[in-house]
Amino acid sequence: DAGVTQSPTHLIKTRGQQVTLRCSPKSGHDTVSWYQQALGQGPQFIFQYYEEEERQRGNFPDRFSGHQFPNYSSELNVNALLLGDSALYLCASSFAGSSSYNSPLHFGNGTRLTVT
Amino acid sequence: EDQVTQSPEALRLQEGESSSLNCSYTVSGLRGLFWYRQDPGKGPEFLFTLYSAGEEKEKERLKATLTKKESFLHITAPKPEDSATYLCAVPSGYALNFGKGTSLLVTP
Repeated sequence: DAGVTQSPTHLIKTRGQQVTLRCSPKSGHDTVSWYQQALGQGPQFIFQYYEEEERQRGNFPDRFSGHQFPNYSSELNVNALLLGDSALYLCASSFAGSSSYNSPLHFGNGTRLTVT
Repeated sequence: EDQVTQSPEALRLQEGESSSLNCSYTVSGLRGLFWYRQDPGKGPEFLFTLYSAGEEKEKERLKATLTKKESFLHITAPKPEDSATYLCAVPSGYALNFGKGTSLLVTP
């Protein structure tokens, strides 16, 4: 049973560039959430996608956008990269049939983004 | 605003030396509290969900408890393989609001 898979595992970009990160949810899951984790910090919620729509968004600028495809996979796009965007980007999936508080999130191992 | 605070930030234990990690929270209407374990370079791995004050859950050397204001993760006779960062989180809508975590190091 494949868990949450993310690609690429590592990425180095230059300030001002754009980046796309990809996520395939765990089999049977239909909801995808994205989190940003800076070094030494807990994960910060970016947004969640369900039925190809953004269902909730955290406190992140419009430079951060996403998409969910009919097969439930998802992309996170970040435009005009800043040095402060350097972080581990985590994708998590869940099943919408359960509410958020009784369906634990399953996380991928993340994409390590370095902006120089 | 919902807040989750974990203490200590870092903890070093000798193998077999039991201790507890703390997670205090301020939320209006708690709808569960989650504990995760995170190894370096990996995503968080789900451990427990607690829903109401007085609830306890156990898994191997770990036991999580919940009161109306905080949760404890008790580690009994830890082993080096228990070394990791332990994160707690509370729901905020469809999101999870995480604390900064406690970095645990267990030495032989």
